[in-house]
Amino acid sequence: TQLLEQSPQFLSIQEGENLTVYCNSSSVFSSLQWYRQEPGEGPVLLVTVVTGGEVKKLKRLTFQFGDARKDSSLHITAAQPGDTGLYLCAGVRGSSNTGKLIFGQGTTLQVKP
Amino acid sequence: DAGITQSPRHKVTETGTPVTLRCHQTENHRYMYWYRQDPGHGLRLIHYSYGVKDTDKGEVSDGYSVSRSKTEDFLLTLESATSSQTSVYFCATKPGQSNEKLFFGSGTQLSVL
Repeated sequence: TQLLEQSPQFLSIQEGENLTVYCNSSSVFSSLQWYRQEPGEGPVLLVTVVTGGEVKKLKRLTFQFGDARKDSSLHITAAQPGDTGLYLCAGVRGSSNTGKLIFGQGTTLQVKP
Repeated sequence: DAGITQSPRHKVTETGTPVTLRCHQTENHRYMYWYRQDPGHGLRLIHYSYGVKDTDKGEVSDGYSVSRSKTEDFLLTLESATSSQTSVYFCATKPGQSNEKLFFGSGTQLSVL
């Protein structure tokens, strides 16, 4: 069983559309991270959310951490072809400082021109 | 970019042969990790290291061993490769205990025939 469930797993949209990716769990996380990965490369950190209810914006990307710190969402406004990639959420449980992240399965986003 | 180099980038081997993957970092990061990435599973932690000669198991450690004799190098060994170990392997590093951001290498594509 996957501790962090991402949905949808695949998303194909037209340029200019909005989209939301969800990351859900029954467990509480002390923090949650979102990564973006391009083909042939490793994931790159986009944002870390720490406080329940926290909202962070990164240009057209909006990240939210659920009030109970069990879920998170990534919203992209007016998607562009450059947003194409694999989006991964990853959580840290408890007070661990060892960096042992638990990853979701990933959401593959394709933005067509 | 934490100056992480993984070698080799691609490898094809036969079932039953030993395989060693190398991760080299130039940033003097304390923590190093080996993940495997498979479709539908996201990234899963194999082993990690919190210092020279200090290592511990992750969630999918069976069939794998690691060694860290120097800060900059973290080796992953498959003692006797199996087809189920066909995967993309990523090395990651983290600077210190209070910083949870992971820096990833570009990955090694391993095929076990």
